[in-house]
Amino acid sequence: DGGITQSPKYLFRKEGQNVTLSCEQNLNHDAMYWYRQDPGQGLRLIYYSQIVNDFQKGDIAEGYSVSREKKESFPLTVTSAQKNPTAFYLCASSIRPGTVNQPQHFGDGTRLSIL
Amino acid sequence: KNEVEQSPQNLTAQEGEFITINCSYSVGISALHWLQQHPGGGIVSLFMLSSGKKKHGRLIATINIQEKHSSLHITASHPRDSAVYICAVVLRGGGATNKLIFGTGTLLAVQP
Repeated sequence: DGGITQSPKYLFRKEGQNVTLSCEQNLNHDAMYWYRQDPGQGLRLIYYSQIVNDFQKGDIAEGYSVSREKKESFPLTVTSAQKNPTAFYLCASSIRPGTVNQPQHFGDGTRLSIL
Repeated sequence: KNEVEQSPQNLTAQEGEFITINCSYSVGISALHWLQQHPGGGIVSLFMLSSGKKKHGRLIATINIQEKHSSLHITASHPRDSAVYICAVVLRGGGATNKLIFGTGTLLAVQP
């Protein structure tokens, strides 16, 4: 079955350490997204990519970095510059960025905590 | 004030009850999504609508563009419906990004 796979499900980070969250999709979707979810807040967009080798900052990109070397993969790195990284991170994808109102498909998320 | 507001924030129902969750928004939109987030965290898209009404099984979603309001109804609720229900809107004029603005969610607990 096609879908989005995020790994790991739980991740712990030490102070000053970079960590990378994996997101892989086999839906042949062009667009991919990273969201952050905090208690009591709606999901917020960190980065998105509409095509391979291209990505754009979302609303809260500071302290994060991404790459899009392959269509099916969109890893997110939480750098030491992100001072409050503890959150739930969701990856999503959609078919074609040039067509509006395409539904986004979501992964199961990664919960990141600071040790 | 959030651009997307949901009510109620928390809802407890008895099995079999008819449930309504509301979503109001203050921006121009091209579509609205209803999403379901289970305790493990994964999100499933329930509906995407830009006008009128859609039905899938026991779930019904309606939208009134003039009033900037949408409702999600669950008929004959069941404990397996317990989840967080999230409303998200696609900004009109958002171009190719299909950027979503999310509500904070409604936590539904259906008791047997």
